[in-house]
Amino acid sequence: SQQGEEDPQALSIQEGENATMNCSYKTSINNLQWYRQNSGRGLVHLILIRSNEREKHSGRLRVTLDTSKKSSSLLITASRAADTASYFCATDAPGGGADGLTFGKGTHLIIQP
Amino acid sequence: GAVVSQHPSWVICKSGTSVKIECRSLDFQATTMFWYRQFPKQSLMLMATSNEGSKATYEQGVEKDKFLINHASLTLSTLTVTSAHPEDSSFYICSARDRGLRSSGANVLTFGAGSRLTVL
Repeated sequence: SQQGEEDPQALSIQEGENATMNCSYKTSINNLQWYRQNSGRGLVHLILIRSNEREKHSGRLRVTLDTSKKSSSLLITASRAADTASYFCATDAPGGGADGLTFGKGTHLIIQP
Repeated sequence: GAVVSQHPSWVICKSGTSVKIECRSLDFQATTMFWYRQFPKQSLMLMATSNEGSKATYEQGVEKDKFLINHASLTLSTLTVTSAHPEDSSFYICSARDRGLRSSGANVLTFGAGSRLTVL
């Protein structure tokens, strides 16, 4: 089942601005991951945050995790046109899918040059 | 890093024909690969788990006779869409779990680039 729910479903911002996407889930997790998908391409793993972590950084990416609220956010700072893509959160949780992950529905991010 | 190669990236076929899509792990061994289907602006739908040397495990509602999966080696899984019909047109994606990453406790998947199937 798709337990992750990203919001917003779509986001359009100007280049240089920060983009924030949120993900909510329903069960306890081992970790939460964010993946990026360019149009017509496969998914690329961006970052993983474990259940005992609260914040993680990777380059222009900042991920937070609030297990009490069962939510995570992905912040992309100083956005670029090349960041235009769909972003999916995926939870690694007991009882998840056969692949071990449950993907959300994604946020489609458009960066206006 | 781990690389998964998927081929072809796009294919157009006539209704009633069969289409084979290959998924290869290039620099690691994958005892398990996963096949997904994705509709426009939707999330991934797991179709089946491909197991090296044994039968694939299909998700509920996925026809195993329609979507034949073969995992002949530790680096190759194939998905064959048999007797394709226009409703089978979709984006198909494979993924594999890098055993090296798995041993570190992180369940991170490496995805192929996807295959766009259009059935006329």
